[in-house]
Amino acid sequence: ETGVTQSPTHLIKTRGQQVTLRCSSQSGHNTVSWYQQALGQGPQFIFQYYREEENGRGNFPPRFSGLQFPNYSSELNVNALELDDSALYLCASSLDQGNNEQFFGPGTRLTVL
Amino acid sequence: KQEVTQIPAALSVPEGENLVLNCSFTDSAIYNLQWFRQDPGKGLTSLLLIQSSQREQTSGRLNASLDKSSGRSTLYIAASQPGDSATYLCAVRTEEGGFKTIFGAGTRLFVKA
Repeated sequence: ETGVTQSPTHLIKTRGQQVTLRCSSQSGHNTVSWYQQALGQGPQFIFQYYREEENGRGNFPPRFSGLQFPNYSSELNVNALELDDSALYLCASSLDQGNNEQFFGPGTRLTVL
Repeated sequence: KQEVTQIPAALSVPEGENLVLNCSFTDSAIYNLQWFRQDPGKGLTSLLLIQSSQREQTSGRLNASLDKSSGRSTLYIAASQPGDSATYLCAVRTEEGGFKTIFGAGTRLFVKA
């Protein structure tokens, strides 16, 4: 059984560009959540997908969008990158949308110049 | 609006000491509370999950308690070791206007040999 994987590991972009981050959930997990973690802070919830539908969203602007595919893998897309988007982006998967334990991937470090 | 606070922000203890980390949350309507460990620049490792109907969970030297009515959880670490040095994060899962997971800012623990 493989755990949660994320790609790429590191990414450098410039202001105004667009970026896509990818996450493969743990086998059998149908729920994926995405988080942004700035240096020295706790993760901030971006959104959650359950069976290909977004069913929860944090305080992030619409330029943060996502997708979940039939195999439950997921993408996070960020348009019009800003300097403050520089952070560690984490995804987590769980079996079902509410009660179950979340398992995290290693993260993608995004730097916006 | 759910808010999660962790006290203390940082803690330094000698090896072998027993210690308690605190987590408080403002809204008792939670699905569960989960404790994580994070090493610098890495993803999160799940330590313990407590469902809203449970009072405590134990794993090895770790014991987590939950008092939903007072909005508090504690993580007890017995006989601390230098390898326990990390940031410890607590998170509550809610269905507040859609599913959300809210993290505290974490407690940075340093165990001196």
